[in-house]
Amino acid sequence: SAVISQKPSRDICQRGTSLTIQCQVDSQVTMMFWYRQQPGQSLTLIATANQGSEATYESGFVIDKFPISRPNLTFSTLTVSNMSPEDSSIYLCSVVNDGTGNQPQHFGDGTRLSIL
Amino acid sequence: SQKIEQNSEALNIQEGKTATLTCNYTNYSPAYLQWYRQDPGRGPVFLLLIRENEKEKRKERLKVTFDTTLKQSLFHITASQPADSATYLCALPSAGGSYIPTFGRGTSLIVHP
Repeated sequence: SAVISQKPSRDICQRGTSLTIQCQVDSQVTMMFWYRQQPGQSLTLIATANQGSEATYESGFVIDKFPISRPNLTFSTLTVSNMSPEDSSIYLCSVVNDGTGNQPQHFGDGTRLSIL
Repeated sequence: SQKIEQNSEALNIQEGKTATLTCNYTNYSPAYLQWYRQDPGRGPVFLLLIRENEKEKRKERLKVTFDTTLKQSLFHITASQPADSATYLCALPSAGGSYIPTFGRGTSLIVHP
């Protein structure tokens, strides 16, 4: 299965600043996703990162707040913009090797973000 | 709307016993269901997938059942060990036709030596 590296693993940021999270996969994958997981909560899908085009955002998430890039089939970034304490969460990158469905997702270990 | 329910209370069991975790869903008929394990500070790790036409699936000490009438999946770990302690998440494909799974909140399993 794919090996996924996320950077940074954790960060403490000031209110109003932005942070870019990187997700690197050791092989080409069809689909890449970004999730948010708040303490004790389930994973919430933020968006699907599309290679070479704009990401597809889920309801409640917008590009201005969470800009996403995917320049190739092995790399994606998520930026959390103009952060507030409500953005404190774990952000997870995941990938699927096969775009036809019912394939397992492989996750990175996440970025634990705290905003002061 | 689609809803996935997992017991929010932690399940505490003794080593050697069988752990059984439950995933219930409503307003939906998924073609398959997945189970993941998540350890603290780590991302979820895929364990098993079971399709709607499969009643049961096994992998080593793990067993998953899928009852489409009851809209329920049971996840069993036999001969449980302290190393099995983790949060277990069930996931179903989204009701809107997308195959991107929707995850339950997960149930924490604690196996006592």
